[in-house]
Amino acid sequence: RKEVEQDPGPFNVPEGATVAFNCTYSNSASQSFFWYRQDCRKEPKLLMSVYSSGNEDGRFTAQLNRASQYISLLIRDSKLSDSATYLCVAHLINYGGATNKLIFGTGTLLAVQP
Amino acid sequence: AAGVIQSPRHLIKEKRETATLKCYPIPRHDTVYWYQQGPGQDPQFLISFYEKMQSDKGSIPDRFSAQQFSDYHSELNMSSLELGDSALYFCASSTRNNEQFFGPGTRLTVL
Repeated sequence: RKEVEQDPGPFNVPEGATVAFNCTYSNSASQSFFWYRQDCRKEPKLLMSVYSSGNEDGRFTAQLNRASQYISLLIRDSKLSDSATYLCVAHLINYGGATNKLIFGTGTLLAVQP
Repeated sequence: AAGVIQSPRHLIKEKRETATLKCYPIPRHDTVYWYQQGPGQDPQFLISFYEKMQSDKGSIPDRFSAQQFSDYHSELNMSSLELGDSALYFCASSTRNNEQFFGPGTRLTVL
């Protein structure tokens, strides 16, 4: 079982739709969480950090539920340019320095249709 | 803003050859990470360095080694290459314990 699990999709949605991605993680030692976006054959790009209080950046809203070990990303008013793979990422870190790495989910593919 | 620089961007090698990938972190970033992404896979953590010392180690084969130099750039050395080593290799950098920013990657093809 992967440490970070996502629905691989694809999610095919029309422009203007609202779409939600979910993610679960198994390692309760995970310190922080992120959503990265990856276009085909390109590097992952940081979309947003995820906080327990929830955070919003324009059309994007992320939420973390530590009790349920669950992370979500909501995209409102989808644009064609939102088409990409969205990677849910856990940051495992030990402040003594022995552990510091990102654990990626398999990614969810979003295709926004005109 | 300056980003992570990786070289080369593309590399073609034969089986059993060696390869060296280079990474130049964002200025003032002191931590460098290496990830391997196979076709259709998510990125897998290989190794990281903080202030020129190895910080963490993931699923890096014994045939691979890496180091971080005094100017904070890092090199990933890969020997006895196998077909299964064909992948995208990403370097990321961060300040200590903060968000990681990825370079454009090196696409390695082993024939």
